[in-house]
Amino acid sequence: GENVGLHLPTLSVQEGDNSIINCAYSNSASDYFIWYKQESGKGPQFIIDIRSNMDKRQGQRVTVLLNKTVKHLSLQIAATQPGDSAVYFCAENNAGNMLTFGGGTRLMVKP
Amino acid sequence: EAQVTQNPRYLITVTGKKLTVTCSQNMNHEYMSWYRQDPGLGLRQIYYSMNVEVTDKGDVPEGYKVSRKEKRNFPLILESPSPNQTSLYFCASSLGTPGEHNEKLFFGSGTQLSVL
Repeated sequence: GENVGLHLPTLSVQEGDNSIINCAYSNSASDYFIWYKQESGKGPQFIIDIRSNMDKRQGQRVTVLLNKTVKHLSLQIAATQPGDSAVYFCAENNAGNMLTFGGGTRLMVKP
Repeated sequence: EAQVTQNPRYLITVTGKKLTVTCSQNMNHEYMSWYRQDPGLGLRQIYYSMNVEVTDKGDVPEGYKVSRKEKRNFPLILESPSPNQTSLYFCASSLGTPGEHNEKLFFGSGTQLSVL
């Protein structure tokens, strides 16, 4: 199951640098946001989430920032490693029972 | 090992030939869902199920059916597949509704379907 990269925005970073992946969400009523990582040939995996009553949440090497004013979500990866190469999706919960996913961003880490 | 298992991994079929993609989870999750992934469109939800015998349409349900007769299984049925259903399909499950109490969605490895 390859992700087709031709239509995906791509971010290329040097190994060891920090990465910032951005996402604009659509519904101001969304109250829960998640970042997923999808490696080649695999299903998406949960990275980190944040509720709308927060503007920042930190995990191990990852930080999610939420700006509700402009409906913007970002994922920051510190000291990017080759294993971070993947497609990253943001998702929002805006209808109670469903998640709506963004189109994805491909992160390429150069050694 | 806790996982979501879907089969087959790859499937090539012809227009109109009924097919079923199976999905099973071993985590006693109540919520299960099917997504399709297409270039530039991200993941779009086809159907979801809140519990046994409870299913609801997602964003793109046309041409698909699902059933939830048992908690662990959530098959995706294409009664008469068409070429526009060529896609990468993912099954996912979570303990409760995603977003409620921060429930996390677990995904299977995907089924690449080609309809000729």
